[in-house]
Amino acid sequence: DAGVTQSPTHLIKTRGQHVTLRCSPISGHKSVSWYQQVLGQGPQFIFQYYEKEERGRGNFPDRFSARQFPNYSSELNVNALLLGDSALYLCASSLFPAVGSYEQYFGPGTRLTVT
Amino acid sequence: AQSVTQLGSHVSVSEGALVLLRCNYSSSVPPYLFWYVQYPNQGLQLLLKYTTGATLVKGINGFEAEFKKSETSFHLTKPSAHMSDAAEYFCAVNTGNQFYFGTGTSLTVIP
Repeated sequence: DAGVTQSPTHLIKTRGQHVTLRCSPISGHKSVSWYQQVLGQGPQFIFQYYEKEERGRGNFPDRFSARQFPNYSSELNVNALLLGDSALYLCASSLFPAVGSYEQYFGPGTRLTVT
Repeated sequence: AQSVTQLGSHVSVSEGALVLLRCNYSSSVPPYLFWYVQYPNQGLQLLLKYTTGATLVKGINGFEAEFKKSETSFHLTKPSAHMSDAAEYFCAVNTGNQFYFGTGTSLTVIP
Protein backbone atom coordinates (compact mmCIF):
# COMPACT_ATOMS: atom_id res chain seq x y z
CA ASP A 1 0.00 0.00 0.00
CA ALA A 2 1.20 3.49 -0.77
CA GLY A 3 2.05 5.64 2.20
CA VAL A 4 1.47 9.34 2.53
CA THR A 5 2.75 11.16 -0.52
CA GLN A 6 3.71 14.80 -0.78
CA SER A 7 4.60 17.02 -3.69
CA PRO A 8 6.83 18.63 -4.60
CA THR A 9 9.79 17.23 -2.66
CA HIS A 10 11.76 20.43 -2.87
CA LEU A 11 11.09 23.95 -4.05
CA ILE A 12 12.68 27.35 -3.90
CA LYS A 13 10.63 30.52 -3.72
CA THR A 14 11.33 34.21 -3.37
CA ARG A 15 10.11 36.39 -0.53
CA GLY A 16 6.61 37.65 -1.16
CA GLN A 17 5.62 34.79 -3.43
CA HIS A 18 2.90 32.26 -2.87
CA VAL A 19 3.33 28.48 -2.54
CA THR A 20 1.01 25.47 -2.64
CA LEU A 21 2.02 22.14 -1.14
CA ARG A 22 0.09 18.96 -1.79
CA CYS A 23 -0.55 15.81 0.21
CA SER A 24 -2.27 12.52 -0.51
CA PRO A 25 -3.15 10.47 2.56
CA ILE A 26 -3.02 6.73 2.95
CA SER A 27 -5.98 5.08 1.25
CA GLY A 28 -8.91 5.00 3.66
CA HIS A 29 -7.57 7.74 5.90
CA LYS A 30 -9.91 10.68 6.24
CA SER A 31 -7.85 13.05 8.33
CA VAL A 32 -4.84 15.08 7.30
CA SER A 33 -2.61 17.25 9.45
CA TRP A 34 0.10 19.69 8.44
CA TYR A 35 3.27 20.45 10.36
CA GLN A 36 6.16 22.86 9.93
CA GLN A 37 9.59 21.62 10.94
CA VAL A 38 12.26 24.25 11.08
CA LEU A 39 15.81 22.95 10.96
CA GLY A 40 16.87 21.67 14.36
CA GLN A 41 13.41 21.74 15.89
CA GLY A 42 10.45 19.43 16.32
CA PRO A 43 7.40 19.62 14.08
CA GLN A 44 4.95 22.39 14.88
CA PHE A 45 1.25 21.81 14.26
CA ILE A 46 -0.34 24.02 11.59
CA PHE A 47 -3.72 22.51 10.64
CA GLN A 48 -5.83 19.41 10.93
CA TYR A 49 -8.64 18.53 8.54
CA TYR A 50 -11.21 15.78 8.77
CA GLU A 51 -13.94 15.13 6.25
CA LYS A 52 -13.05 18.41 4.50
CA GLU A 53 -13.56 20.48 7.64
CA GLU A 54 -10.92 22.22 9.69
CA ARG A 55 -10.67 20.52 13.06
CA GLY A 56 -7.70 22.32 14.51
CA ARG A 57 -5.36 25.21 13.89
CA GLY A 58 -1.99 25.94 15.40
CA ASN A 59 -0.44 29.29 16.17
CA PHE A 60 0.35 30.37 12.63
CA PRO A 61 -0.54 33.62 10.84
CA ASP A 62 -3.40 33.96 8.40
CA ARG A 63 -0.91 33.74 5.55
CA PHE A 64 -1.19 29.99 6.08
CA SER A 65 -4.33 28.29 4.83
CA ALA A 66 -5.33 24.79 3.85
CA ARG A 67 -8.14 22.76 2.46
CA GLN A 68 -9.14 19.13 2.04
CA PHE A 69 -10.76 17.75 -1.05
CA PRO A 70 -13.52 15.11 -1.44
CA ASN A 71 -10.85 12.44 -2.09
CA TYR A 72 -9.25 13.46 1.25
CA SER A 73 -6.13 14.89 -0.34
CA SER A 74 -5.08 18.26 0.96
CA GLU A 75 -3.31 21.46 0.02
CA LEU A 76 -1.38 23.84 2.22
CA ASN A 77 -1.10 27.39 0.93
CA VAL A 78 1.28 30.04 2.17
CA ASN A 79 1.02 33.62 0.95
CA ALA A 80 3.54 36.46 1.12
CA LEU A 81 6.42 34.15 1.90
CA LEU A 82 8.99 35.22 4.46
CA LEU A 83 12.52 33.94 4.94
CA GLY A 84 11.34 32.38 8.19
CA ASP A 85 8.92 30.15 6.30
CA SER A 86 11.86 28.08 5.10
CA ALA A 87 11.28 24.65 6.59
CA LEU A 88 10.31 21.06 5.99
CA TYR A 89 6.54 20.83 5.70
CA LEU A 90 5.18 17.50 6.81
CA CYS A 91 1.81 16.01 6.10
CA ALA A 92 0.38 13.28 8.29
CA SER A 93 -2.69 11.17 7.77
CA SER A 94 -4.83 9.15 10.14
CA LEU A 95 -8.08 7.23 10.01
CA PHE A 96 -9.79 9.74 12.23
CA PRO A 97 -8.72 13.05 13.74
CA ALA A 98 -5.52 12.54 15.68
CA VAL A 99 -7.25 12.42 19.01
CA GLY A 100 -5.95 10.29 21.78
CA SER A 101 -4.26 7.13 20.65
CA TYR A 102 -4.91 7.38 16.94
CA GLU A 103 -1.62 7.18 15.13
CA GLN A 104 -0.50 9.58 12.49
CA TYR A 105 1.50 8.43 9.50
CA PHE A 106 3.88 10.97 8.09
CA GLY A 107 4.90 11.69 4.54
CA PRO A 108 8.48 12.47 3.53
CA GLY A 109 7.85 16.19 3.56
CA THR A 110 8.34 19.11 1.22
CA ARG A 111 11.51 21.13 1.71
CA LEU A 112 10.69 24.80 1.12
CA THR A 113 13.49 27.33 0.79
CA VAL A 114 12.62 31.01 0.67
CA THR A 115 15.32 33.34 -0.65
CA ALA B 1 -1.19 23.44 28.22
CA GLN B 2 0.68 20.40 27.08
CA SER B 3 4.39 20.33 26.45
CA VAL B 4 7.18 17.88 25.95
CA THR B 5 10.76 18.26 27.08
CA GLN B 6 13.55 16.16 25.68
CA LEU B 7 16.68 16.35 27.78
CA GLY B 8 19.83 16.31 25.70
CA SER B 9 19.69 17.53 22.14
CA HIS B 10 22.60 15.25 21.24
CA VAL B 11 23.41 11.81 22.61
CA SER B 12 26.38 9.67 21.60
CA VAL B 13 26.74 5.99 22.42
CA SER B 14 29.09 3.25 21.35
CA GLU B 15 27.81 0.46 19.18
CA GLY B 16 26.42 -2.23 21.45
CA ALA B 17 25.88 0.13 24.39
CA LEU B 18 22.61 1.04 26.05
CA VAL B 19 20.58 3.80 24.44
CA LEU B 20 18.62 6.08 26.77
CA LEU B 21 16.72 9.06 25.39
CA ARG B 22 14.81 11.14 27.92
CA CYS B 23 11.36 12.63 27.60
CA ASN B 24 9.24 14.43 30.18
CA TYR B 25 5.78 15.72 29.56
CA SER B 26 3.42 18.11 31.22
CA SER B 27 -0.24 17.46 30.87
CA SER B 28 -3.34 18.22 32.81
CA VAL B 29 -4.96 15.00 31.70
CA PRO B 30 -3.61 11.47 31.17
CA PRO B 31 -1.64 11.72 27.98
CA TYR B 32 -1.13 9.54 24.98
CA LEU B 33 2.60 9.42 24.36
CA PHE B 34 4.58 8.60 21.27
CA TRP B 35 8.16 8.22 20.09
CA TYR B 36 9.01 8.90 16.47
CA VAL B 37 12.27 8.49 14.59
CA GLN B 38 13.38 10.63 11.67
CA TYR B 39 16.18 9.64 9.34
CA PRO B 40 17.88 12.35 7.26
CA ASN B 41 15.65 13.86 4.60
CA GLN B 42 12.73 11.66 5.55
CA GLY B 43 9.45 11.98 7.39
CA LEU B 44 8.72 10.66 10.86
CA GLN B 45 8.24 6.97 11.57
CA LEU B 46 6.37 5.75 14.63
CA LEU B 47 8.54 3.71 17.01
CA LEU B 48 6.01 3.09 19.76
CA LYS B 49 3.09 4.58 21.62
CA TYR B 50 1.57 4.49 25.08
CA THR B 51 -2.18 4.65 25.44
CA THR B 52 -3.43 2.82 28.52
CA GLY B 53 -2.62 -0.40 30.30
CA ALA B 54 0.89 -1.78 30.54
CA THR B 55 3.37 0.96 31.31
CA LEU B 56 6.25 -0.76 29.52
CA VAL B 57 5.72 -0.40 25.81
CA LYS B 58 7.67 -2.31 23.20
CA GLY B 59 8.20 -0.88 19.76
CA ILE B 60 9.97 -1.60 16.54
CA ASN B 61 13.70 -2.16 16.08
CA GLY B 62 14.19 -3.31 19.70
CA PHE B 63 13.15 -0.03 21.29
CA GLU B 64 10.95 0.23 24.35
CA ALA B 65 9.72 2.96 26.64
CA GLU B 66 8.30 3.07 30.14
CA PHE B 67 5.50 5.39 31.17
CA LYS B 68 6.07 6.69 34.70
CA LYS B 69 3.19 8.85 35.80
CA SER B 70 4.80 9.83 39.10
CA GLU B 71 7.81 11.20 37.22
CA THR B 72 5.82 12.41 34.17
CA SER B 73 8.39 10.65 32.05
CA PHE B 74 8.42 8.42 28.99
CA HIS B 75 12.07 7.58 28.37
CA LEU B 76 13.10 5.56 25.32
CA THR B 77 15.62 2.75 25.68
CA LYS B 78 17.34 0.09 23.62
CA PRO B 79 19.69 -2.45 25.23
CA SER B 80 22.24 -2.49 22.43
CA ALA B 81 22.78 0.30 19.94
CA HIS B 82 23.26 -0.45 16.28
CA MET B 83 24.82 1.81 13.69
CA SER B 84 21.47 1.99 11.90
CA ASP B 85 19.92 3.63 15.00
CA ALA B 86 21.68 6.90 14.25
CA ALA B 87 18.83 9.34 13.63
CA GLU B 88 16.74 12.10 15.20
CA TYR B 89 14.23 10.98 17.81
CA PHE B 90 11.11 12.90 18.80
CA CYS B 91 8.85 12.42 21.78
CA ALA B 92 5.25 13.60 21.32
CA VAL B 93 2.11 13.92 23.41
CA ASN B 94 -1.48 14.00 22.26
CA THR B 95 -4.26 14.94 24.65
CA GLY B 96 -6.56 16.72 22.27
CA ASN B 97 -6.79 17.18 18.57
CA GLN B 98 -3.14 17.82 17.92
CA PHE B 99 0.28 16.47 18.64
CA TYR B 100 2.91 18.38 20.59
CA PHE B 101 6.45 17.38 19.73
CA GLY B 102 9.65 17.81 21.66
CA THR B 103 12.65 19.49 20.11
CA GLY B 104 14.28 16.18 19.32
CA THR B 105 17.39 14.25 20.30
CA SER B 106 20.03 13.44 17.74
CA LEU B 107 21.53 10.01 18.38
CA THR B 108 25.05 9.26 17.18
CA VAL B 109 26.35 5.70 17.31
CA ILE B 110 30.11 5.36 17.50
CA PRO B 111 31.61 2.24 15.93
